[in-house]
Amino acid sequence: DAKTTQPTSMDCAEGRAANLPCNHSTISGNEYVYWYRQIHSQGPQYIIHGLKNNETNEMASLIITEDRKSSTLILPHATLRDTAVYYCIVRPLVGKLIFGQGTTLQVKP
Amino acid sequence: EPEVTQTPSHQVTQMGQEVILRCVPISNHLYFYWYRQILGQKVEFLVSFYNNEISEKSEIFDDQFSVERPDGSNFTLKIRSTKLEDSAMYFCASSTSSSNEQFFGPGTRLTVL
Repeated sequence: DAKTTQPTSMDCAEGRAANLPCNHSTISGNEYVYWYRQIHSQGPQYIIHGLKNNETNEMASLIITEDRKSSTLILPHATLRDTAVYYCIVRPLVGKLIFGQGTTLQVKP
Repeated sequence: EPEVTQTPSHQVTQMGQEVILRCVPISNHLYFYWYRQILGQKVEFLVSFYNNEISEKSEIFDDQFSVERPDGSNFTLKIRSTKLEDSAMYFCASSTSSSNEQFFGPGTRLTVL
């Protein structure tokens, strides 16, 4: 079973920042936080991952709390194309991905 | 930008028939995966493959399933005798190493009648 808890759904206005929370209170010291998204039954798409430091790339930022029990994915300027299911996954650096139900983000005009 | 490709996009088969789903991973990738997603459900891991052997498999991946890398470019998933409950989207993924992000293909929709 997935070791993360995410809200089932969220809305965001186009152009605003989308902040997607994830709880992973049982995360182990060697486990990373990964974020993927799935746009309308397409293959999952990697977004970002981190261990304990905040991370940023061209798609998003990942903020991990100091105790590593939760994190937030930030899409700085959401567009309609960002409407998708977002998955927060914790796993060791190697191995399979275990997907939960994710958060359905609806970006509205 | 290199991408994982999968064929066919949609496969319809009769129960009990064998199907082979094909994937072409990104060319310099060494680790290969199959996942499936039954309609409306979670994406589920099936199997990972490295150095011409299975490195990990799930409980779903029973004796009816097999994987192969027949020619150094293709990566296939075979289901020997399909069941109705095998109907799902099947996603292939690849990565440069087991620690890097996995890149997913667009999926094959398998419908078993």
